[in-house]
Amino acid sequence: GAGVSQSPSNKVTEKGKDVELRCDPISGHTALYWYRQSLGQGLEFLIYFQGNSAPDKSGLPSDRFSAERTGGSVSTLTIQRTQQEDSAVYLCASSQTSGRNNEQFFGPGTRLTVL
Amino acid sequence: AQKITQTQPGMFVQEKEAVTLDCTYDTSDQSYGLFWYKQPSSGEMIFLIYQGSYDEQNATEGRYSLNFQKARKSANLVISASQLGDSAMYFCAMREGGGGSYIPTFGRGTSLIVHP
Repeated sequence: GAGVSQSPSNKVTEKGKDVELRCDPISGHTALYWYRQSLGQGLEFLIYFQGNSAPDKSGLPSDRFSAERTGGSVSTLTIQRTQQEDSAVYLCASSQTSGRNNEQFFGPGTRLTVL
Repeated sequence: AQKITQTQPGMFVQEKEAVTLDCTYDTSDQSYGLFWYKQPSSGEMIFLIYQGSYDEQNATEGRYSLNFQKARKSANLVISASQLGDSAMYFCAMREGGGGSYIPTFGRGTSLIVHP
């Protein structure tokens, strides 16, 4: 079956431009998560969706970051006025529910480079 | 304070030997879940094994087992009979929280290199 997909796989942009990253979770998965992984680092939690609502936005690093999810499915992460420190791999994951025993299924990530 | 601590930035093991990757966690919740993920150089995160806080038996999945010591708040991953394909980053993660929403937090990872 189809796993989590993300697009684009690579994005190079100039400082100050806006970017949109897309995540298609596994069909039927109600929980969706965005993480950021800088080179050689662990995963930094950004935001979590349960259905279309985001109960936890605590990880968003600044008000330049926003995310939405529509139809309980596709999610987009938008970064406005990108900065060089935004360069990282952005990973999306979904799980069947947000229960404590649900493993996450990860997408391949979007590598963002801000010049 | 770190929720998940992985103290070994890098580990080396000879092929066919066993290796233990350390993970300690910090939570005041009674109900939580512990996970290990593998991230090969390709970048994709792969789920390996899960242990629930109420599970009395250590979890096992093939060559992977989780040495769960609740009182010490440790959840070490044991890989038996290492293979070259086991070379990767390994992340320990914990889901905690009540109200039905368990937000996963991840450790910084351990890089494992398996030598032939």
